[in-house]
Amino acid sequence: DAGVIQSPRHEVTEMGQEVTLRCKPISGHNSLFWYRQTMMRGLELLIYFNNNVPIDDSGMPEDRFSAKMPNASFSTLKIQPSEPRDSAVYFCASSGQISSPLHFGNGTRLTVT
Amino acid sequence: AQSVTQLGSHVSVSEGALVLLRCNYSSSVPPYLFWYVQYPNQGLQLLLKYTTGATLVKGINGFEAEFKKSETSFHLTKPSAHMSDAAEYFCAVSGGDYKLSFGAGTTVTVRA
Repeated sequence: DAGVIQSPRHEVTEMGQEVTLRCKPISGHNSLFWYRQTMMRGLELLIYFNNNVPIDDSGMPEDRFSAKMPNASFSTLKIQPSEPRDSAVYFCASSGQISSPLHFGNGTRLTVT
Repeated sequence: AQSVTQLGSHVSVSEGALVLLRCNYSSSVPPYLFWYVQYPNQGLQLLLKYTTGATLVKGINGFEAEFKKSETSFHLTKPSAHMSDAAEYFCAVSGGDYKLSFGAGTTVTVRA
């Protein structure tokens, strides 16, 4: 089991640029989550997919953020345009059932200058 | 709704000493409780979980936690700290659905 795979591990970009983060969940898991981790706010749930369908996107901070899950093995989180306050570590996680523990990827550290 | 409070943002212990990390929860329904560990530059890994049944839960790396409903607590312990236990630890609670609420985390430092 390769675990949840995220890319890139690090992303440095300038304000105003588009950023796309990628995630491959564990095969067979039908729930996928995007989290953001910052010192100030801790871990925040951005969006939750079940069977590739967005169920809860109430944590998406602004319209600049969007997420897709075109199939069971791939998801993207896009920020357009990016701002310095978006700098954080973004985690993707998956689980097999709703109440099951989450399996996290190693995260993408985003720095927006 | 569910929420978690972790008491103490930093804990320092000597190698071989007891590790005790405190977590209190609030939940309007029977809680599902979790402890996760995060090593530098990595994602969170599950240490242990409580859903139903036995209130003393054993996890990986020698950690265990006890669910105490009367105290709304789920404290994490390890009898003897090892240098490799240095990490950040997160307590989390859900109501059995997808909404997992994380605590602010406790950073553990182990002194040689």
